[in-house]
Amino acid sequence: QKEVEQNSGPLSVPEGAIASLNCTYSDRVSQSFFWYRQYSGKSPELIMSIYSNGDKEDGRFTAQLNKASQYVSLLIRDSQPSDSATYLCAVKGNNRLAFGKGNQVVVIP
Amino acid sequence: EAQVTQNPRYLITVTGKKLTVTCSQNMNHEYMSWYRQDPGLGLRQIYYSMNVEVTDKGDVPEGYKVSRKEKRNFPLILESPSPNQTSLYFCASSFQVNYGYTFGSGTRLTVV
Repeated sequence: QKEVEQNSGPLSVPEGAIASLNCTYSDRVSQSFFWYRQYSGKSPELIMSIYSNGDKEDGRFTAQLNKASQYVSLLIRDSQPSDSATYLCAVKGNNRLAFGKGNQVVVIP
Repeated sequence: EAQVTQNPRYLITVTGKKLTVTCSQNMNHEYMSWYRQDPGLGLRQIYYSMNVEVTDKGDVPEGYKVSRKEKRNFPLILESPSPNQTSLYFCASSFQVNYGYTFGSGTRLTVV
C-alpha cells in the first residue's frame, strides 16, 4: 500500500459547486496532515493543516480528518475558476512529509 | 518578505558535470528538505535536515548529496548527474517538522 494515496482522477466541477477530494494514508502513527495547492508550473502552496480528528474550516476550505479510518479529505465550497489546480495531500511521519500524487481540479465557469 | 530562494530556476547540463542547486530561507526555520517532482510519480523526498549539521536520507537519495552548515542554507549537490535526474526540484522549509512547509519556486534541471 502506498504511503499516501489520492486515487480520484481529474475532477470537473461547475463554478459555485462543492469540490470534494479524498486521501488515505498507511502509517497509523501519523499526526500531521496537510493540503497543498499547486498551479501548473508553480510550487506547492499550503492551504490547510489539520492535526486532530474532525473538521477544520478556513474560508471556503474545510479539511476533515478521521484517524481511525486513516482518511483525510478537503472540501472546496463555492468553487471558483481560480481554484483550478492540482491538490496534494501530505502526511507527516518519521520526521518526513510524504505526498500523494495529487488530484487535478477543473472549475468550469 | 519571508521566502525560500532557489537558484538557478532553470539548468541544462551534461552527464557527469558536477552541479549545485542552492537553497536559502530567511525565516529561521529549523527543518529543510529537498524534493523532486516527476510526472506520474508526484513529489518524492530526496534529503531532509532537522537542524544544522543534521541531515538524513529521504525516499530517493541516490546520486545526491546535501550539507547544512548554516541554518539558512541547504544546497543540493549532484556529483555526477545522469539523465534520470532530469526533473523539477523543490526546496522547502518549516519552523519544525510538524508544521507545514514553505516551498521555493523550483529548479527545472535537464541532464543531457
